[in-house]
Amino acid sequence: QKEVEQDPGPLSVPEGAIVSLNCTYSNSAFQYFMWYRQYSRKGPELLMYTYSSGNKEDGRFTAQVDKSSKYISLFIRDSQPSDSATYLCAMSAGNNRKLIWGLGTSLAVNP
Amino acid sequence: NAGVTQTPKFQVLKTGQSMTLQCAQDMNHNSMYWYRQDPGMGLRLIYYSASEGTTDKGEVPNGYNVSRLNKREFSLRLESAAPSQTSVYFCASSGGQANIQYFGAGTRLSVL
Repeated sequence: QKEVEQDPGPLSVPEGAIVSLNCTYSNSAFQYFMWYRQYSRKGPELLMYTYSSGNKEDGRFTAQVDKSSKYISLFIRDSQPSDSATYLCAMSAGNNRKLIWGLGTSLAVNP
Repeated sequence: NAGVTQTPKFQVLKTGQSMTLQCAQDMNHNSMYWYRQDPGMGLRLIYYSASEGTTDKGEVPNGYNVSRLNKREFSLRLESAAPSQTSVYFCASSGGQANIQYFGAGTRLSVL
């Protein structure tokens, strides 16, 4: 079993939809949780970062961490065609330990 | 502010040829990483350097070598390229407790 599981999709939604992207993990030591966005033929870029449990909001994006269920989510409200990308979750236990990556979910937002 | 710069952006090699991928960061980060990304396989860590003067193997190190030249630069060398090394290679750097990584634009490598 991989330490981080992420459904690769692809996920296709109409413009304006609410999108939910998820990852599950098995290592209870993880404390730092990140979402990266990767456009086609580009490098991953940090979208959101959360420490421990709880929610974090940034514009149309909300990141949630549920440590009791070992489950993290990224919600995109009012999705736009420009949100079409691959979204990767990543997490670490801190203390400069390596990031553990999900496989990424491919999202297409159709006009 | 350039962030993480990788060269070259594209490269085609013949089997058995060698090459070095270059990476430089200007964020004063201690840690640097080399990943490869293949369809359906996600990002896989090849080598990393936690600090200047140290390097360690990741999950797929075979066929590669690295050099941490100084705090800014971390190079990846393929001594004898194989078709299985056809991939997109990303360099990243990080600093701080959370290990948030910042990526370069990638090098697309084809080995024929």
